[in-house]
Amino acid sequence: KAGVTQTPRYLIKTRGQQVTLSCSPISGHRSVSWYQQTPGQGLQFLFEYFSETQRNKGNFPGRFSGRQFSNSRSEMNVSTLELGDSALYLCASSYYRTSYSGNTIYFGEGSWLTVV
Amino acid sequence: KNEVEQSPQNLTAQEGEFITINCSYSVGISALHWLQQHPGGGIVSLFMLSSGKKKHGRLIATINIQEKHSSLHITASHPRDSAVYICAVRRETSGSRLTFGEGTQLTVNP
Repeated sequence: KAGVTQTPRYLIKTRGQQVTLSCSPISGHRSVSWYQQTPGQGLQFLFEYFSETQRNKGNFPGRFSGRQFSNSRSEMNVSTLELGDSALYLCASSYYRTSYSGNTIYFGEGSWLTVV
Repeated sequence: KNEVEQSPQNLTAQEGEFITINCSYSVGISALHWLQQHPGGGIVSLFMLSSGKKKHGRLIATINIQEKHSSLHITASHPRDSAVYICAVRRETSGSRLTFGEGTQLTVNP
């Protein structure tokens, strides 16, 4: 089956602009999480969505927002971009929110955002 | 202090060597993941553990819940194993949210 698909893969934006990133989870998966990866901070949790509801949010400013649609596809938006927002943004999906032996998590290839 | 600590940060090995990467955590967890990240960004979940030991090919992962410690072993290492290995934990009450270690950069030389 198709994996987690993230678009776009690469993008360059100017400070002050906004950006929208998209994530299509594996068919049937209802849980989608977003992560930011930077050389200085490593991987950090942004948000988690399950059945169109945000269930968890990380310690990021309000410029970072997201949503999930009825087909489980998710988008994240960053407004008023800053240089420090340059990062790899990763999306991950799983069937359930909770952990049990069969509930593996699957990551997309990520979206590389450069803010200039 | 980070909630998830990995060691070593960098590891260089010769092909065929046995490799161990360690992960210690300080919070209650429902599961621990070992992840592999190759250059280019994509992350693959190698194992998800809540107890005991799992094996897949040349990879073995163990976890000791009482000691809050997990290890990833690679037997007969190969240059294609070169990657960043990341330990990540799911807290007991955080749904599918993961908290990550800083990663271990593994280089296996032929």
